[in-house]
Amino acid sequence: LAKTTQPISMDSYEGQEVNITCSHNNIATNDYITWYQQFPSQGPRFIIQGYKTKVTNEVASLFIPADRKSSTLSLPRVSLSDTAVYYCLVGDFYNQGGKLIFGQGTELSVKP
Amino acid sequence: EAGVTQFPSHSVIEKGQTVTLRCDPISGHDNLYWYRRVMGKEIKFLLHFVKESKQDESGMPNNRFLAERTGGTYSTLKVQPAELEDSGVYFCASSQFNLRVRTEAFFGQGTRLTVV
Repeated sequence: LAKTTQPISMDSYEGQEVNITCSHNNIATNDYITWYQQFPSQGPRFIIQGYKTKVTNEVASLFIPADRKSSTLSLPRVSLSDTAVYYCLVGDFYNQGGKLIFGQGTELSVKP
Repeated sequence: EAGVTQFPSHSVIEKGQTVTLRCDPISGHDNLYWYRRVMGKEIKFLLHFVKESKQDESGMPNNRFLAERTGGTYSTLKVQPAELEDSGVYFCASSQFNLRVRTEAFFGQGTRLTVV
C-alpha cells in the first residue's frame, strides 16, 4: 500500500483558497487517490476521489499530475466550518475491499 | 436516510471489565468496517465484514476483541477483558461500492472508550 506524506497543519483565513498537497511516491498503477475530511467528534467523511488529471465536485477539486506521485486537494473560498483534519489516502480500494489506510492527516485551521 | 449509527457514544469501564460496542450500518450496505484511533495515533483498520462474513480481520489487535455481524445487519465489537491500552475512539463504517471510481465509506460518529 502506498505511503502518503502531507503537512501536519495549515492555517488559512476565511474566503481564501486552500491547497493541501500530498506526496505518494510509490503509488501503484491500480491505485486511486481519495480524500476524507474529519470534524472533531465525528467520523471521517468522503470528499473526493480521482485517478489522474483533475476531478471537481461541489465541495473540492483534486489535481493529480501526470506522474501521479502527488496530488493536491483544493478548497475554494474556505469558511470557518472547513476547519477539520484532511486525510489523503491511496490504494486499490475496489480490489482491497474498501479498506482504508489513514495517515496522520493535515489539520486545517480557518481563522476569521 | 439514516447514516451509520454507533452505540454508545461514550463508555467508561474499569480494567478487566467487558464492553460491547454496536454499529448499525446504512441499510443495504453489505460492507461493514471497524476502525480505531488510539490517543495520539492514526486511525487504524480493525476488520471488514461482507454481509455476515469476516473478509479481513488482519487489524484485530488480539483475541480479546471479538466482532460479530449476525444476519449481515448490525455489528458488535466486544472487548473482553478490557485493558488500559484499549482506550480510544472506535469507528464503524459501511459501504456498498460497486464503482471503481468512487469507493466511498460512510462513517459513524464513533464510540469513545475509556478504560480506567
